[in-house]
Amino acid sequence: AQSVTQLGSHVSVSEGALVLLRCNYSSSVPPYLFWYVQYPNQGLQLLLKYTSAATLVKGINGFEAEFKKSETSFHLTKPSAHMSDAAEYFCAVRFSGGYNKLIFGAGTRLAVHP
Amino acid sequence: NAGVTQTPKFQVLKTGQSMTLQCAQDMNHNSMYWYRQDPGMGLRLIYYSASEGTTDKGEVPNGYNVSRLNKREFSLRLESAAPSQTSVYFCASSAPTSGLYADTQYFGPGTRLTVL
Repeated sequence: AQSVTQLGSHVSVSEGALVLLRCNYSSSVPPYLFWYVQYPNQGLQLLLKYTSAATLVKGINGFEAEFKKSETSFHLTKPSAHMSDAAEYFCAVRFSGGYNKLIFGAGTRLAVHP
Repeated sequence: NAGVTQTPKFQVLKTGQSMTLQCAQDMNHNSMYWYRQDPGMGLRLIYYSASEGTTDKGEVPNGYNVSRLNKREFSLRLESAAPSQTSVYFCASSAPTSGLYADTQYFGPGTRLTVL
């Protein structure tokens, strides 16, 4: 079955530290991949997406993600965390062959402490 | 542009009551979606509508019905609410499947529903 796995439901980093949020998907065919961010009591906002044009994708707010086919991964990184990055992050996948239906991971809540 | 709007923002129901969640988008998108968000489970698709006049079941459709009233509006109805339907509900719409914004879904602010 097609699935998306986010490792770590909670991640805590210090302000200024590297942020690494992990996402793996199950598919033999590279899908479209997305990272969304959800701030408290708000809807989801698109951070970035991979659509096969380039393996390293840059998004908003200094985030980027690298698609690694051999590892079926699309991990999200940011070199230096800011307090405003505290939110929940969702990896989502659209598998090829289907309608534009996204499958979401369970989410990772990022906490940033001083 | 308001993007995707949802009403109400909050709702408390008693078991067995019915209600309709409203969603509208002003981005001229063909496709619209309803999700529910539960802790530790991410978002799960309830129903979607590829275009005006069509609707299809998603991952968790039981207990829900939808209506695509026109291109702008997509409503979700709970005919007989159950405590298991306590959740946060999100509506989304998506851009065309080609071009720079292909496949991107845009989300509303959500409706927090509690069923007692």
